[in-house]
Amino acid sequence: KNEVEQSPQNLTAQEGEFITINCSYSVGISALHWLQQHPGGGIVSLFMLSSGKKKHGRLIATINIQEKHSSLHITASHPRDSAVYICAVNFAKVNRDDKIIFGKGTRLHILP
Amino acid sequence: NAGVTQTPKFQVLKTGQSMTLQCAQDMNHNSMYWYRQDPGMGLRLIYYSASEGTTDKGEVPNGYNVSRLNKREFSLRLESAAPSQTSVYFCASSRRVIWTHENTGELFFGEGSRLTVL
Repeated sequence: KNEVEQSPQNLTAQEGEFITINCSYSVGISALHWLQQHPGGGIVSLFMLSSGKKKHGRLIATINIQEKHSSLHITASHPRDSAVYICAVNFAKVNRDDKIIFGKGTRLHILP
Repeated sequence: NAGVTQTPKFQVLKTGQSMTLQCAQDMNHNSMYWYRQDPGMGLRLIYYSASEGTTDKGEVPNGYNVSRLNKREFSLRLESAAPSQTSVYFCASSRRVIWTHENTGELFFGEGSRLTVL
């Protein structure tokens, strides 16, 4: 069964701390997404990656294909980073990469 | 730059009533998706459409029908609503992901539709 597991489920940290959210998946994938959902519900794509590392501002996403694991890091965290972070994967099927499976999300709360 | 637009944003139905959620994207994307989001669970795929004229079932298709009217529009219909269908529904779109190419499959979401079935 194709599964996506995120950890931790909930994370509370002080402003300025370095944050790491983890995502593990069960079988081969063609792409992995990190998404952000703020209170109020809107979902925004942060990264899509299939290898290596990507950086955007204070956000860094890495993926290790051999270990079937990805991490999302937030440097110098700020209260406005408080949101639910969701990992999602395209499980590779021959010529059919359209099914995307989502993790349950990590609820991040940054205290001022 | 509308992106993905879904309507309505809120709807209250009585058990047995029918309704259609509308979704449109203006990014010329091939793939479109309907998800539901329930407390304590990840987004679950109801139906998806890889291209105009094709639709496929996702994880939780029972009680729903879809129609890919054209490349822009992908609607979700509840023929006879049940309280178990109370949820927040999200439409999303992406260019078709080709596994050797990065940056072709970023997901774009609508703002969500909160549906309550009494």
